[in-house]
Amino acid sequence: DAGVIQSPRHEVTEMGQEVTLRCKPISGHDYLFWYRQTMMRGLELLIYFNNNVPIDDSGMPEDRFSAKMPNASFSTLKIQPSEPRDSAVYFCASSSRRGRNEQFFGPGTRLTVL
Amino acid sequence: GESVGLHLPTLSVQEGDNSIINCAYSNSASDYFIWYKQESGKGPQFIIDIRSNMDKRQGQRVTVLLNKTVKHLSLQIAATQPGDSAVYFCAENPHSGAGSYQLTFGKGTKLSVIP
Repeated sequence: DAGVIQSPRHEVTEMGQEVTLRCKPISGHDYLFWYRQTMMRGLELLIYFNNNVPIDDSGMPEDRFSAKMPNASFSTLKIQPSEPRDSAVYFCASSSRRGRNEQFFGPGTRLTVL
Repeated sequence: GESVGLHLPTLSVQEGDNSIINCAYSNSASDYFIWYKQESGKGPQFIIDIRSNMDKRQGQRVTVLLNKTVKHLSLQIAATQPGDSAVYFCAENPHSGAGSYQLTFGKGTKLSVIP
């Protein structure tokens, strides 16, 4: 398996623009997690899904952030409008029901909002 | 709120020596702990985990120790190699018994191995 796939790897955009980050979890995994990593706040859980259904989105910063999982092999995290303080590395991770606490992380998307 | 923290932000170790990375946690309800390794430009990678009903668990060259009395977690790496250079995070789940998969991560310790 190729592992968790994220795209793009790098994104540079201007304040006010819409940003869409994409994730393909490991095939067969039931859980999908979106994290944000910054130097100041470390690694923070934004939202996670179980069987494509959002379970907990309490970590989503504000209404500008939204996440969807239309099927078992694809998820998006959207920021609209983007702001400079959204600059961070965004990770997607997935896990299986059996090894549910062992999360496999993707390589991340480095977002820079100018 | 309660959070996971680390004593040492950076650690330099001679190749071949043992490394010890420490982590303090404050949430006494936490019942599951994980160590992750993050190499530059990559996502975190699972190393080893331990449940609160244990005080020690061993893997390949790694050992995790849990001291619930002082709320302390440590990761020991035996015979440290250059490939071990990375940032190490401890993470806790205060509600794993309730079926929650939310992990709270510490800020991380950077391990540098000197050849």
